[in-house]
Amino acid sequence: QQQVKQSPQSLIVQKGGISIINCAYENTAFDYFPWYQQFPGKGPALLIAIRPDVSEKKEGRFTISFNKSAKQFSLHIMDSQPGDSATYFCAASMNTGRRALTFGSGTRLQVQP
Amino acid sequence: GAVVSQHPSRVICKSGTSVKIECRSLDFQATTMFWYRQFPKQSLMLMATSNEGSKATYEQGVEKDKFLINHASLTLSTLTVTSAHPEDSSFYICSAPASGRARHEQFFGPGTRLTVL
Repeated sequence: QQQVKQSPQSLIVQKGGISIINCAYENTAFDYFPWYQQFPGKGPALLIAIRPDVSEKKEGRFTISFNKSAKQFSLHIMDSQPGDSATYFCAASMNTGRRALTFGSGTRLQVQP
Repeated sequence: GAVVSQHPSRVICKSGTSVKIECRSLDFQATTMFWYRQFPKQSLMLMATSNEGSKATYEQGVEKDKFLINHASLTLSTLTVTSAHPEDSSFYICSAPASGRARHEQFFGPGTRLTVL
């Protein structure tokens, strides 16, 4: 199975709040889980990524939580800002073979001032 | 991080014509590049894997004779949409993986917006 399921489809958060986006995967061969941010008309940009040997990774306001047994991972954006308004994609890939990314369906985040 | 460029950023063409999109890794070499297609408000769908020195690998349902891929060098891959039709209108994005210890990380180009009239 190659599917990565992402929720919610859209999210509205007040400035200063916490944005939380969740993803679940099926293929236990995945071993790399990045999150991408995409603005309209632009290519996706890597935000933060995690490997399954750790349960949490934090970079600035962005944190990934990873639950290997549940095959779930999530992105937390602390102190959300209007500039964070974008579409966020989770993804997964394997260490072997082509290393192509399988993307989630995306979450459109709107941070209200 | 590494930089990937695409050219053109936008192209409008008539139905039946062919369009070539270039993807370049500017400061690193990439033996593999990936081509994705993204329809409005949808996710990125992998179309094919471009391999330097060998044939591209296409995902199920992607017509290899319609979407021609050539990985001409370690820094350049091209996608040619042949006999384009309005349903081919989409946002085409390429990516290239890093090498070495960071080989999982992929760098994406800015995308090419194709509109077929």
